[in-house]
Amino acid sequence: GAVVSQHPSWVICKSGTSVKIECRSLDFQATTMFWYRQFPKQSLMLMATSNEGSKATYEQGVEKDKFLINHASLTLSTLTVTSAHPEDSSFYICSAVRDRNTEAFFGQGTRLTVV
Amino acid sequence: DAKTTQPPSMDCAEGRAANLPCNHSTISGNEYVYWYRQIHSQGPQYIIHGLKNNETNEMASLIITEDRKSSTLILPHATLRDTAVYYCIVRVQARRALTFGSGTRLQVQP
Repeated sequence: GAVVSQHPSWVICKSGTSVKIECRSLDFQATTMFWYRQFPKQSLMLMATSNEGSKATYEQGVEKDKFLINHASLTLSTLTVTSAHPEDSSFYICSAVRDRNTEAFFGQGTRLTVV
Repeated sequence: DAKTTQPPSMDCAEGRAANLPCNHSTISGNEYVYWYRQIHSQGPQYIIHGLKNNETNEMASLIITEDRKSSTLILPHATLRDTAVYYCIVRVQARRALTFGSGTRLQVQP
């Protein structure tokens, strides 16, 4: 199947700093990527939809100024958690769809710990 | 997208078939049934999907009832590495995000 790669796999940062997470589709072009967040023992929750060359669409309750999404190319989307706080500690996962009629592929996830 | 109902947890003996049920009684005619699984601390992994007919691939089989209101994912010979949370998702085929429910936590026992 298609490969979606996330980097880093885990990161620890200090409260108040910003962290950037990269999501790359390695062997296909993804005009649309999705960012999810998963807290312990919970299911994945969609944060935003990232479209190449346009502004991301955020789900209700997700602060767009705090979670900056950039989809500058057909193979790369980035999520920047700005002014991170301990409550932002979570497992962040990206997903990409290759084209209209195929399944979605997921990155391996990034575990963010804010101390 | 139609809502799905899955049992919260199941156990299966290693080497035996694991049959994971999913109820999707409000499914529409153009909605597909997708199955993903998530092994601990990893991103979800695609397993299989189908519309009406039963489907089989190298990982699993998907059995969809004739009225399409329920389906069963079958792992023919479960191994310890199949221990994961399995998600049944119903959606149209489009470049849209998947909506994850609670899933079924499958524990394969040695």
